[in-house]
Parts: sequence; structure tokens; C-alpha cells
Amino acid sequence: TQLLEQSPQFLSIQEGENLTVYCNSSSVFSSLQWYRQEPGEGPVLLVTVVTGGEVKKLKRLTFQFGDARKDSSLHITAAQPGDTGLYLCAGAPGGSYIPTFGRGTSLIVHP
Amino acid sequence: KAGVTQTPRYLIKTRGQQVTLSCSPISGHRSVSWYQQTPGQGLQFLFEYFSETQRNKGNFPGRFSGRQFSNSRSEMNVSTLELGDSALYLCASSLAMVFNEQFFGPGTRLTVL
Repeated sequence: TQLLEQSPQFLSIQEGENLTVYCNSSSVFSSLQWYRQEPGEGPVLLVTVVTGGEVKKLKRLTFQFGDARKDSSLHITAAQPGDTGLYLCAGAPGGSYIPTFGRGTSLIVHP
Repeated sequence: KAGVTQTPRYLIKTRGQQVTLSCSPISGHRSVSWYQQTPGQGLQFLFEYFSETQRNKGNFPGRFSGRQFSNSRSEMNVSTLELGDSALYLCASSLAMVFNEQFFGPGTRLTVL
């Protein structure tokens, strides 16, 4: 059983479209991180959300942490081909020191 | 500032052999974590070292081991390789705790034949 469920698993869209990626769990997390990984590379941290209800923006990317700290979402506005990659959410459930990752959402943005 | 480096980048081994992977963290980072990434299981935490001590361990068999040196460089060893050990092995470093901002290396692609 995956502690962090990400959806959708795959996303193929045209440049300029908007999209939302979800990361859900039945456990409470003290914080959640979002990473982007490109082929042949390690994941790169995009953001960390800590407070329930928190919203963070990174240019065209908007990250939200659920009020109950069990879920998070990533919204991309006007996607560009450079946004192509594997988006991963990660965190450690309350009381644990073991980080867990979602399976990821593979995004392809076509020019 | 130089990023996390991992060597080698690619490795081919046969079943039953053992392998050692190396990771050099970002200068000043004392925490080094290792992860296994496969298409089927995704990214899974192996273990974390801090100041030469294993601080946290994931759910992997004892064939997977690691160590950290006084300069924070870390090595990971896999003994008696199995076909299922084929994966991308990622190393990540952070300043203090594993939940702090982690910086990942490019990984070592291990293929077991």
C-alpha cells in the first residue's frame, strides 16, 4: 500500500494548457515536499509546504497543502515544454523519520 | 557550490556479485540518504547517515549496507546481487535532518544480469 497516492499517473497535454496534480494520504504529514525529476537526473526540490492550508507560488506553479495536512496539490498554469518531467511528492508521516515518496506523475507538455 | 556527485554513473554486474556505490555530498552537508528508484516501486528510502552513524533505515534486506566517512562522503554496498536490484540508486544530502531540503545526485544506474 502506497502511503502517498499521486494522480494522475500520466499526463500528456499541449503547451498553454493548465493542469493539476494531486498527492493524497490517509496519514498526517508535518510537511510535504514536491520534486521534479528529469530523465537521467535526480529529483530537484521545488517547494516544501508546512502549514495546513498553506499556498505557495513558484512562477506558474501553485502548491497547496490541505487543511488537515493529509493532501497536497500542484497546479501549473499555461504549461510549457520545459515543465516536462516526473513530479514527485514526498514526506514523512507524523512520528516517523522515514521519508516516503509518491509514485509520481509523469507530465509531457507538447509544443 | 558543487552539487552532489555519485560514482560511477552506470554499472553492469552479474547475479551474486557485490557492488559499492559512492556519494560525495554538498560541502557542509552532514546528512546523506540513499534511495532506490525502480519503475515498479518508485523511489524508496534505503538509509540515512549523519556524522558517520546510520540514523534511519528503510525496509530493505541486510544485503544493503552503507557507511559514512568523517568527511561526510558515503558509500553504499549491495552484496549477493539479485536481478531485482537493478535500479537507479540516488544519493541525497542535506544540512541536518533528512526532512530538510534535500539535494539529490544524478544517481547510479545499476543493471544486474
